[in-house]
Amino acid sequence: DAKTTQPTSMDCAEGRAANLPCNHSTISGNEYVYWYRQIHSQGPQYIIHGLKNNETNEMASLIITEDRKSSTLILPHATLRDTAVYYCIVAGATGANNLFFGTGTRLTVIP
Amino acid sequence: AAGVIQSPRHLIKEKRETATLKCYPIPRHDTVYWYQQGPGQDPQFLISFYEKMQSDKGSIPDRFSAQQFSDYHSELNMSSLELGDSALYFCASSTRDRVMIRGYTFGSGTRLTVV
Repeated sequence: DAKTTQPTSMDCAEGRAANLPCNHSTISGNEYVYWYRQIHSQGPQYIIHGLKNNETNEMASLIITEDRKSSTLILPHATLRDTAVYYCIVAGATGANNLFFGTGTRLTVIP
Repeated sequence: AAGVIQSPRHLIKEKRETATLKCYPIPRHDTVYWYQQGPGQDPQFLISFYEKMQSDKGSIPDRFSAQQFSDYHSELNMSSLELGDSALYFCASSTRDRVMIRGYTFGSGTRLTVV
């Protein structure tokens, strides 16, 4: 599995956009970028995933660079409930691929 | 919508005892994954099952075993418990061969405390 690198922690003011970067320079052509988050002691929660095009859903936007070596998760209007550890994971498209969690980014949304 | 159900939510055991954790996947999901998350650590993959057969194995101790049953629920059996086994244990489910639309779904976890 490709390795990902994320900052250990980030702060964001409530109501502002939170931009969480991830480097995945060894990603292979058929691997997707997935983002999950874990709110304190809860099960990880799927946020969004993409292959090479930018993606948006009701939770967030995902921007993937053209060379696919890095990506940014954007929470457009962060709320206090978005405080969590955010994991960027590279994996295949189907459930045949296990998710390997690295060290995510602890995002703290500040009032 | 139905979610992944794990039981029990909390479990306290003494050293050297055994524990069994249960996971009920989302209906029609055929693959189950188990993860262990120690205090202050990131989730670590233990083992996965597809159609009642072990499909992949991670950092699961030999003292642990797991299986998936005909109704697709899975059980993680832990024997000779050690203090270091105290952790959150998460189960996730998915469909193996179909492209995931919304990723894996995780349960709320079982918090195991070994005393």
